Amino acid sequence: GAVVSQHPSWVICKSGTSVKIECRSLDFQATTMFWYRQFPKQSLMLMATSNEGSKATYEQGVEKDKFLINHASLTLSTLTVTSAHPEDSSFYICSATGQGFSRYFGAGTRLSVL
Amino acid sequence: KNQVEQSPQSLIILEGKNCTLQCNYTVSPFSNLRWYKQDTGRGPVSLTIMTFSENTKSNGRYTATLDADTKQSSLHITASQLSDSASYICVVETGTASKLTFGTGTRLQVTL
Repeated sequence: GAVVSQHPSWVICKSGTSVKIECRSLDFQATTMFWYRQFPKQSLMLMATSNEGSKATYEQGVEKDKFLINHASLTLSTLTVTSAHPEDSSFYICSATGQGFSRYFGAGTRLSVL
Repeated sequence: KNQVEQSPQSLIILEGKNCTLQCNYTVSPFSNLRWYKQDTGRGPVSLTIMTFSENTKSNGRYTATLDADTKQSSLHITASQLSDSASYICVVETGTASKLTFGTGTRLQVTL
């Protein structure tokens, strides 16, 4: 079946540094990818919708200059958390649309900012 | 405002027992309803997807129902196993912009 690979699965960084998270669709082309953030015991919250070859669409309240999204190919989207701070510590999950209603999720990336 | 509410918030059952999780939604326009299983520290994995015309759908020991009139869905787990311990999330997709609205999930713990 379709697989979405997310890397890294866990990252620890110092405050002020930038972190890049990759999301790849392994056996299908994903024209649209989604980035979510999930805090403990809470639901997934959509951060932005990423379309291949165009600018991402950010949800209200999500800073586009802080969370840079690049979707340069049909199989790869990246999320860069710039100048990370402890409040950015969270679980980040990407998702890609497949055929029909299919929506596949990555395994997530746990970001801890010290 | 589009909302998805799930109950109970958490549930503990003995291995081998059955359980039913509930989902109520106010999402318009409705496209489909999905149930996902999310293990701790992992991404959600799809269990079932139902469109407006589908009343029930099964995936192994998981059976989902949908009542589009009352805007309710349930997920029934039969003969639970320890590996069923996870969060179960009800997700409704709107017919416009393919946006997903997530419920807060039900945390299920299956014990010996």
